[in-house]
Amino acid sequence: QKEVEQNSGPLSVPEGAIASLNCTYSDRGSQSFFWYRQYSGKSPELIMFIYSNGDKEDGRFTAQLNKASQYVSLLIRDSQPSDSATYLCAVNYGGSQGNLIFGKGTKLSVKP
Amino acid sequence: DGGITQSPKYLFRKEGQNVTLSCEQNLNHDAMYWYRQDPGQGLRLIYYSQIVNDFQKGDIAEGYSVSREKKESFPLTVTSAQKNPTAFYLCASSIESSYNSPLHFGNGTRLTVT
Repeated sequence: QKEVEQNSGPLSVPEGAIASLNCTYSDRGSQSFFWYRQYSGKSPELIMFIYSNGDKEDGRFTAQLNKASQYVSLLIRDSQPSDSATYLCAVNYGGSQGNLIFGKGTKLSVKP
Repeated sequence: DGGITQSPKYLFRKEGQNVTLSCEQNLNHDAMYWYRQDPGQGLRLIYYSQIVNDFQKGDIAEGYSVSREKKESFPLTVTSAQKNPTAFYLCASSIESSYNSPLHFGNGTRLTVT
């Protein structure tokens, strides 16, 4: 069974620190990886996606993909209280986005 | 502004009644999806459609039905056969259904069945 695992948290970091969110997946054939942010009671918003091994940076966010170790991570630099949310990792196991599997999410709390 | 509109935001129904959740997009996206989210759980795929007049079952399609008669619209019917219908329902769309097309979500409908 294809799985996407995330630590449920809560992960608590002080304001201005780097928050590191991790996600592991079970299928070596996975092709694309997405990070979504979900505020309480709201719908998920796309933060970043990554397809190739290595790092991808967008503003304060960096996605890191290591296919050999089957993990993808999201780093948030200079964390702000407004970053407090649940972060969902999603992995496509190949083909259409009907094969997109979501993890249960990691709750991040940024303390002022 | 382009986006995905789900209505209503909150929906209350009695057990045994069918209910239809609306999803409309003006992004000109080919693919549309319905997910269900329960507290503390990841999103689970109910149905998806890659093109008009075509749709496929997801992991938890039992007790649900969909139609895709227009590119813009992908309504979801929760039937009385769905044993545990109370949940947060999310509609999403993507430019196409390929693996590298990010999903964009509507604001969701929170369904409560008593």
